[in-house]
Amino acid sequence: QLVLAQSPSASASPGASVKLTCTLSSGHSSYAIAWHQQLPEKGPRFLMNINSDGSHNKGDGIPDRFSGSSSGAERYLLISSLQSEDEADYYCQTWGTGIQVFGGGTKLTVL
Amino acid sequence: EVQLVESGGGLVKPGGSLRLSCAASGFTFSRYSMNWVRQAPGKGLEWVSSISRSGNFIYYADSVKGRFTISRDNAKNSLYLQMNILSAEDAAVYYCAKEATELVRPGDYFDYWGQGTLVTVSS
Repeated sequence: QLVLAQSPSASASPGASVKLTCTLSSGHSSYAIAWHQQLPEKGPRFLMNINSDGSHNKGDGIPDRFSGSSSGAERYLLISSLQSEDEADYYCQTWGTGIQVFGGGTKLTVL
Repeated sequence: EVQLVESGGGLVKPGGSLRLSCAASGFTFSRYSMNWVRQAPGKGLEWVSSISRSGNFIYYADSVKGRFTISRDNAKNSLYLQMNILSAEDAAVYYCAKEATELVRPGDYFDYWGQGTLVTVSS
């Protein structure tokens, strides 16, 4: 079964870096994923997609502070030089034939 | 600029029906698969349904299969979701989302989202 696992929460200080992790279920380590950001009371916004080789494509207007990488079944979202406006929920997404799957989301707090 | 604007949400009684719409602009609507995703209050994102660019391929989450119907009108650049036999578990903000790549069947990441429309189910 295609499942994505995310830690429920993460926190870091302004100016620091944070790495969010999305883990694909067993047998699905070759799948690509996408990261989406959801600011409070807003709709989601596409950040980037990440392939199993770590290559990624960012959405329109996404700052260079956001980057992605991959290792095995894990897909990462790295946010550097954290700003207060980065405080949001972050969801990963993957897909198969006839199905779309979301991780449970990570709530990022910028302390 | 790509825009997706949902409408049609509101208050409905349990067992009732509602039809959501999503008006698309800023891209060639007929070339992309589209999706509905929902988010219950305080919860995460849940995929609901996908439809191919032609409308020939349609998929549903198990939680809505048999009750919801997705459709599209490429001449009107619009996506729809007919929701029947609604229950409290269907209460959520419903988002439409565009897939990123021109594929025959649905199955790609979402590169644009709407702002959502709220569905409340209560007697």
